[in-house]
Amino acid sequence: DIQMTQTPSSMPASLGERVTISCRASQGISNYLNWYQQKPDGTIKPLIYYTSNLQSGVPSRFSGSGSGTDYSLTISSLEPEDFAMYYCQQYDSSPLTFGSGTKLEIK
Amino acid sequence: QVQLKESGPGLVQPSQTLSLTCTVSGFSLTSNSVHWVRQPPGKGLEWVGAIWSGGSTDYNSALKSRLSISRDTSKSQVFLKMNSLQTEDTAIYFCTRTPYWGQGVMVTVSS
Repeated sequence: DIQMTQTPSSMPASLGERVTISCRASQGISNYLNWYQQKPDGTIKPLIYYTSNLQSGVPSRFSGSGSGTDYSLTISSLEPEDFAMYYCQQYDSSPLTFGSGTKLEIK
Repeated sequence: QVQLKESGPGLVQPSQTLSLTCTVSGFSLTSNSVHWVRQPPGKGLEWVGAIWSGGSTDYNSALKSRLSISRDTSKSQVFLKMNSLQTEDTAIYFCTRTPYWGQGVMVTVSS
């Protein structure tokens, strides 16, 4: 199975701040990497698919990049609604595997 | 648009069988795979299994002996059955067709 190492596990940040979350795969995943946001009610919202493609309706302050084994999600200027959990997911090979999550908290 | 919706009982007794349904719209099951993922309270996401576009299945090796995933393409539904449930199976269960997810259904295993 492909292991996904997501860092940091938690991140205190301020409104307007630029933040980056990273995911490292245990082997190359050919850009088959998605990012999700999960709110406290459990709803999972897709943000970025195939490394860098913005899901329809997602604000442009979200962006993704990466290649090979290293990927990242950047939020350019934090808004109040961005404080949530974030997960990366690889879908290059089965089983799907996920990062352990990053809790973005208000500083 | 692509939509998925899980349904099933919220409470299951230990040792009993869990049956969940994922009803999809906006895409064809014969052209897309659907995965089940679960999330225990306060924990991360765990892949449970999948049914591929051709109808074959793939299961989490730790759950394989208790798990069955099937589908009814005419009804656009995917089914999950897991037997011998234990308290550790308490979780939100999601169905997903990358990158879309259902809202999830909370399943509590308790007597």
